[in-house]
Amino acid sequence: DAGITQSPRYKITETGRQVTLMCHQTWSHSYMFWYRQDLGHGLRLIYYSAAADITDKGEVPDGYVVSRSKTENFPLTLESATRSQTSVYFCASSDLRNAGNQPQHFGDGTRLSIL
Amino acid sequence: ILNVEQSPQSLHVQEGDSTNFTCSFPSSNFYALHWYRWETAKSPEALFVMTLNGDEKKKGRISATLNTKEGYSYLYIKGSQPEDSATYLCAFLHNNNDMRFGAGTRLTVKP
Repeated sequence: DAGITQSPRYKITETGRQVTLMCHQTWSHSYMFWYRQDLGHGLRLIYYSAAADITDKGEVPDGYVVSRSKTENFPLTLESATRSQTSVYFCASSDLRNAGNQPQHFGDGTRLSIL
Repeated sequence: ILNVEQSPQSLHVQEGDSTNFTCSFPSSNFYALHWYRWETAKSPEALFVMTLNGDEKKKGRISATLNTKEGYSYLYIKGSQPEDSATYLCAFLHNNNDMRFGAGTRLTVKP
């Protein structure tokens, strides 16, 4: 089925560990986004990508690394996880070539707990 | 600073009441204003994407207006139903790439 899928749905890890969250979309959307959702902050943009091999920082990029070698995949890596990165992470995609008049489509989220 | 403010933070209404929320955003470098509906334990779903000053959009009992010159958008729900209970997010698209979300308005509709 077409759509956007995130994996894993839940992850528990320890501080200092590396963890990668996966995001895959089947629409061939050019843009992909990673957000984190924390109480009192709503959704905050971590990184986004306009196309394969093009990525850029969002509002809260520190401590995260992204890559986009293929249009359909946009993994998010926490190279050395910290407790402050405990959050729910959402991936989204959009075809934003028309001056932003296309909505974003969100995955179901990954709940990440760092002990 | 690209602050997007939503008010109120939460709202409790009775079934059948009409209600509205506000989204305030920077009026410079405006590209688009998005509204999303976010039910508990689900992912946000798009309601409207608005790009022109004076835009009005409608989907069933839900409608939205946009004023880019003064930097605000209103979302209206007519005759609220319990299934309208959700968090309503607005997002300001800046420079066609940088999306900034408000913290949302949590609506609870009591039967």
